[in-house]
Amino acid sequence: AQSVTQLDSQVPVFEEAPVELRCNYSSSVSVYLFWYVQYPNQGLQLLLKYLSGSTLVKGINGFEAEFNKSQTSFHLRKPSVHISDTAEYFCAVRKRGSNDYKLSFGAGTTVTVRA
Amino acid sequence: EAQVTQNPRYLITVTGKKLTVTCSQNMNHEYMSWYRQDPGLGLRQIYYSMNVEVTDKGDVPEGYKVSRKEKRNFPLILESPSPNQTSLYFCATRTGGNYEQYFGPGTRLTVT
Repeated sequence: AQSVTQLDSQVPVFEEAPVELRCNYSSSVSVYLFWYVQYPNQGLQLLLKYLSGSTLVKGINGFEAEFNKSQTSFHLRKPSVHISDTAEYFCAVRKRGSNDYKLSFGAGTTVTVRA
Repeated sequence: EAQVTQNPRYLITVTGKKLTVTCSQNMNHEYMSWYRQDPGLGLRQIYYSMNVEVTDKGDVPEGYKVSRKEKRNFPLILESPSPNQTSLYFCATRTGGNYEQYFGPGTRLTVT
C-alpha cells in the first residue's frame, strides 16, 4: 500500500514571496507522483506530474516539483506567489505499472497568500 | 468542452433517506471513480469502475453502492445515509494511457 504525508497543513505566505510545500511518500513499489490544486469551491486540477526521466518537473502557473527517490519526497515550489495561488494543494501517488488507477492522497496543505 | 458533471452540487438530507449523486462525463473515458474528501484526511477512494458493468471497492466503500450501466454515467448511491457520510464527494475519470484524472466540481453532502 502507498501512503502520502504532507508535512504542513497550513502555509501562510506573503505575495511575491517563495513557497515550498513538502510531500513525502512511502511505497513498496515504484510510483507515479502528482500535485493537484483545489481553488475555493472548485474541483481538483492537476498542477504537475512525475512519471519518469528528469527529476525536476514543471507544471502550470509557475509551479515546479523535484522528485527525490532516496528521500522519497516530491516537494512543490513556486519562486513568487500571487494572491490567486490561495488554495489547497494535494500530493498524490499511484502505483506504477498497475491497472489500478487509484490515487492515494495526502491530507492537503492550505496555502494562504497575503498582500 | 471536456466535462465531468455532478448533481446535485449541494444536498442536505436526513438519516436513512436514500439518495443518489450522479456523475456524467463526455470524454468517453473507461475509468471512473468516486472519492470523498474530509478535513485532515485528504481524498479517499470509495468505488471505481474500469468499464461498463465492471466496478470494484476502493478504500472506504462501506455504506455506498455504485452502478455502471453506460459508459458516461457512474452514480453513487447511499441506501441509508448516516451523519458520518457528511462529506465532500468527487467523481473522477480518466482514459487508458492518460495518467491524469479529471475531477468533477464536487457534491457537498450533509446528513443530519
